[in-house]
Amino acid sequence: GAGVSQSPSNKVTEKGKDVELRCDPISGHTALYWYRQSLGQGLEFLIYFQGNSAPDKSGLPSDRFSAERTGGSVSTLTIQRTQQEDSAVYLCASSMREGQGNQPQHFGDGTRLSIL
Amino acid sequence: QKEVEQDPGPLSVPEGAIVSLNCTYSNSAFQYFMWYRQYSRKGPELLMYTYSSGNKEDGRFTAQVDKSSKYISLFIRDSQPSDSATYLCATELGLGGNTPLVFGKGTRLSVIA
Repeated sequence: GAGVSQSPSNKVTEKGKDVELRCDPISGHTALYWYRQSLGQGLEFLIYFQGNSAPDKSGLPSDRFSAERTGGSVSTLTIQRTQQEDSAVYLCASSMREGQGNQPQHFGDGTRLSIL
Repeated sequence: QKEVEQDPGPLSVPEGAIVSLNCTYSNSAFQYFMWYRQYSRKGPELLMYTYSSGNKEDGRFTAQVDKSSKYISLFIRDSQPSDSATYLCATELGLGGNTPLVFGKGTRLSVIA
């Protein structure tokens, strides 16, 4: 498909385990974002990649969270030593940057993470 | 104070009604304004994307931005049951390129046939 693809769509794991969430952005999109959506909190920014620049990690809630983007395309969000408060839907978005213009972000369907 | 405030609803209207959804924001530096629609267990889908104050129309949807009062609105005309979803407003600084979005908490809308 032509949209943002995320996997897995659902993940259930035990407290203390590590999890990896994957995002395939829209082909040609240079910017990639991770957000978290939890009940009562809405959608919150986690981390942002733009081309070869250093990522903006200002939204990561703790050092248990990290993300990589390999080859300017696929990204992996890793949560180490998961806690119950990490249960949420993790959403990935991508956008194209054309010159200095702004382009809208397009979202995947997310990974629903449940920590037991 | 949260940067973007949005009444969570729920909002229930009869089919055919005009729906008005609203958000306020606190940071006057925000330049871009969006409305997303989110169906259950799906990702947000972009509905409207605007830059300046004024109105933007797309079919049954009209987005309105008033930067002087930091107020953004989405109007849905002739609402349909298929419009039942959560509507998220979002803002962006957009300083020389893309920046992370700041979202309202979303308004849940039900259109009753």
